[in-house]
Amino acid sequence: QQQVKQSPQSLIVQKGGISIINCAYENTAFDYFPWYQQFPGKGPALLIAIRPDVSEKKEGRFTISFNKSAKQFSLHIMDSQPGDSATYFCAAPKGGYQKVTFGTGTKLQVIP
Amino acid sequence: KAGVTQTPRYLIKTRGQQVTLSCSPISGHRSVSWYQQTPGQGLQFLFEYFSETQRNKGNFPGRFSGRQFSNSRSEMNVSTLELGDSALYLCASSLDNRGLRSSYNSPLHFGNGTRLTVT
Repeated sequence: QQQVKQSPQSLIVQKGGISIINCAYENTAFDYFPWYQQFPGKGPALLIAIRPDVSEKKEGRFTISFNKSAKQFSLHIMDSQPGDSATYFCAAPKGGYQKVTFGTGTKLQVIP
Repeated sequence: KAGVTQTPRYLIKTRGQQVTLSCSPISGHRSVSWYQQTPGQGLQFLFEYFSETQRNKGNFPGRFSGRQFSNSRSEMNVSTLELGDSALYLCASSLDNRGLRSSYNSPLHFGNGTRLTVT
């Protein structure tokens, strides 16, 4: 039973373009919404996170937009670079304690 | 500060064998959780530990077990290996110094995983 739905599955963006990845969740009892970035051969690394009482958070070229009423949040990567090519996961803590439910991942390829 | 360390990085086992994976959390982190990552199922929660106690468990068979030591280091064990157990096993730690839910101020930090191949 999927609790976090992520789209698209893959994304190809030109260098300098904007990459947008979307996630929708079902449960309202989440404390925060993180995004993780994973390069081949590495574990996921926390990229940026947002609290549910904030509608937007920006860190450098990365922005999370959060729509509580629609139960959706998205990651925007501005001025996408080839070094951003990785798999991105949205996540939501569910079930208490440290358990986190992850989206299915989006493989981003930024072409020169 | 050193990150989450997982050993070994790679393992090749045959069906029916058992395997033990090790995880050293970030210094000061008291909570350790384990995830299985496969191309078909993505990242799936296995279990989590806090103060040597398992607090939560995912939907995996009893062949998957784990434990946490007093220094917060953790091990997971898979017995009677099956081909479908081939995956990247990831360990994550978090500060969680109040024994509470994963939070904005105490997010998960992952290691680089152990790649298990079962033949």
